[in-house]
Amino acid sequence: KAGVTQTPRYLIKTRGQQVTLSCSPISGHRSVSWYQQTPGQGLQFLFEYFSETQRNKGNFPGRFSGRQFSNSRSEMNVSTLELGDSALYLCASSLGTSVQETQYFGPGTRLLVL
Amino acid sequence: GDSVTQMEGPVTLSEEAFLTINCTYTATGYPSLFWYVQYPGEGLQLLLKATKADDKGSNKGFEATYRKETTSFHLEKGSVQVSDSAVYFCALISNAGGTSYGKLTFGQGTILTVHP
Repeated sequence: KAGVTQTPRYLIKTRGQQVTLSCSPISGHRSVSWYQQTPGQGLQFLFEYFSETQRNKGNFPGRFSGRQFSNSRSEMNVSTLELGDSALYLCASSLGTSVQETQYFGPGTRLLVL
Repeated sequence: GDSVTQMEGPVTLSEEAFLTINCTYTATGYPSLFWYVQYPGEGLQLLLKATKADDKGSNKGFEATYRKETTSFHLEKGSVQVSDSAVYFCALISNAGGTSYGKLTFGQGTILTVHP
C-alpha cells in the first residue's frame, strides 16, 4: 500500500506571495492532519479534515487555510507569506473513525520564504 | 492544555550502549501515547505506541511503557546502533472529543547520535 505523498517537496517563495501544498493520504484513509515544523516552535498542529470538513484547528492565523476533496486528498494554502512561515509542512493521514488513531506521515514539503 | 516534555538533548552514545529518552506528559483524560522517529530530510515514522495504562509498545528493539501514575512514557533500547541516529519525538493524542481530532501534541524532540 502506498504511503502518504506530498507535493511539491521543496518550494521557494518571496514575502507576500501565496502557496498551495498538496497531500494524498494512504488509500482508505479519510482524515488528513497538517503540521508545521520549525526549529524554534517544534511540531505544531494546523488543522484536520475529514470527509471534506474541517473538524479541528490549531492556533494559526487565518492566512493558513485548507480544504479536502471527495477523494480525501487535501491542500493547504498560506496567503501573504511571511519570513516566519519558512518551515517543513507535514501532513498525516488516518482512518478518521476514532479520535485516538495512529497517524501516518508524509515526507513533508520544505518551504523557504525569502 | 495538553503538553509533552522530553529530556534535554542531544544524546550521544557509543554503539551497543543502553538508551533511555525520558518523556512525561500532561493531558485531559486518557491519552494515547506515541514515539515517532525522524531521519534527516524525512517525515516522521511511527516507532511504537500505547493506548492505555501499563501497555508496553515495542518495535525494532525499542520499548516504552505507559505509566499513568507517573504520567511517563520513556523510550528504551538495550543496544543502540549507528543506524538509530535520528530525532525522536514523544507525542500524545487525548480523548477529549472534538478538540482532539487529528491533533497530536509533540515534545520538542531529542537528537540521538550513535558513534561506532
